[in-house]
Amino acid sequence: GAVVSQHPSWVICKSGTSVKIECRSLDFQATTMFWYRQFPKQSLMLMATSNEGSKATYEQGVEKDKFLINHASLTLSTLTVTSAHPEDSSFYICSAAPLLAGVPYNEQFFGPGTRLTVL
Amino acid sequence: GQNIDQPTEMTATEGAIVQINCTYQTSGFNGLFWYQQHAGEAPTFLSYNVLDGLEEKGRFSSFLSRSKGYSYLLLKELQMKDSASYLCAVKDYGQNFVFGPGTRLSVLP
Repeated sequence: GAVVSQHPSWVICKSGTSVKIECRSLDFQATTMFWYRQFPKQSLMLMATSNEGSKATYEQGVEKDKFLINHASLTLSTLTVTSAHPEDSSFYICSAAPLLAGVPYNEQFFGPGTRLTVL
Repeated sequence: GQNIDQPTEMTATEGAIVQINCTYQTSGFNGLFWYQQHAGEAPTFLSYNVLDGLEEKGRFSSFLSRSKGYSYLLLKELQMKDSASYLCAVKDYGQNFVFGPGTRLSVLP
């Protein structure tokens, strides 16, 4: 159980295009999903916290107009990198925290990640 | 502010024991997590500590001291497949997960 998928797993695009990454919790409902970015040999950096049905909370320094997050259902969140540039090339990982009635989640389950290369 | 420290790199020999330390200063504490991450893959959950003491799970153990803001991950009987990055993460009062820089462990034959 507790499987999270991401699609696509790898994308190469031209500078200036927009890229959408999907994150799905396959066998559980997630009220909260997190989006992380990871550059080579560095740790995960939280970009934003996404709650179903409400606006995402972005970390300081992350442009919300550039990284559009939509959490339309309890099993799907999307991250759209708008007008991508080479410096946006990175490994983007989502995670989902299960919905437990009245109990704060204690764990997050990671998706397999999406490697974005912007030429 | 939020600060989590780990050694950047460690090297150990197959069959040996290695201890990876993590110190933290965060806005509140709601648990500490250890994850393993192989290159190019997503992190996988190893352990969770919310109370002081040692949690043992097979070859892996994790220790927590909340008063000292300190944790360690102990790996026994090291195997080549244990070569990976090990991430320490703290869940703060805002229910956010704050990750440390990760420790790259190399296991040598």
